[in-house]
Amino acid sequence: KAGVTQTPRYLIKTRGQQVTLSCSPISGHRSVSWYQQTPGQGLQFLFEYFSETQRNKGNFPGRFSGRQFSNSRSEMNVSTLELGDSALYLCASSLAETATYEQYFGPGTRLTVT
Amino acid sequence: AQKITQTQPGMFVQEKEAVTLDCTYDTSDQSYGLFWYKQPSSGEMIFLIYQGSYDEQNATEGRYSLNFQKARKSANLVISASQLGDSAMYFCAMREKDSSYKLIFGSGTRLLVRP
Repeated sequence: KAGVTQTPRYLIKTRGQQVTLSCSPISGHRSVSWYQQTPGQGLQFLFEYFSETQRNKGNFPGRFSGRQFSNSRSEMNVSTLELGDSALYLCASSLAETATYEQYFGPGTRLTVT
Repeated sequence: AQKITQTQPGMFVQEKEAVTLDCTYDTSDQSYGLFWYKQPSSGEMIFLIYQGSYDEQNATEGRYSLNFQKARKSANLVISASQLGDSAMYFCAMREKDSSYKLIFGSGTRLLVRP
């Protein structure tokens, strides 16, 4: 079974631009979460989606948004990029019916804002 | 609020030896889940092991075991017979609450396995 895929893997953008990142979960997984990883702040939760509904949101400004489609694929968008948005963005999916709620992560999208 | 603390920024271990990575947590919930993830230099987070707060036995997955001490709020990862491929960042995480997929991560421990 294929793992979580994220596209693109690397991205370079300029301050003020916007960016859209994509995540395809493992087949059959209905929950998708997004995390931002930076050297200074570590791993921080962005959003959680289940069956196209955002169930949880982290403490990030409104420039960060996301959505989930009916096939469970998810996108996140960052508008008006700032230098501090440079990070590794990780997507994770979960089967949702397991008692452990274990999540499986994709390889991440490394975003560099110049 | 939940918090995960990993006090070892970096550790060395000799190949074939065992190593323990420390993790302490803070929560007021009675029901919670604890996870360990491995992150190689490629960036992908690899799920290693899970421990539920009501599990009476320590979790084990191959060479990985979790030393769960509930009263001390610690969930240390033990890697037996270290291999060169174990060199990576290791993160301890806690599920925020029941029915949530939000994970709260510690700051991580960088493990280097020496040949």
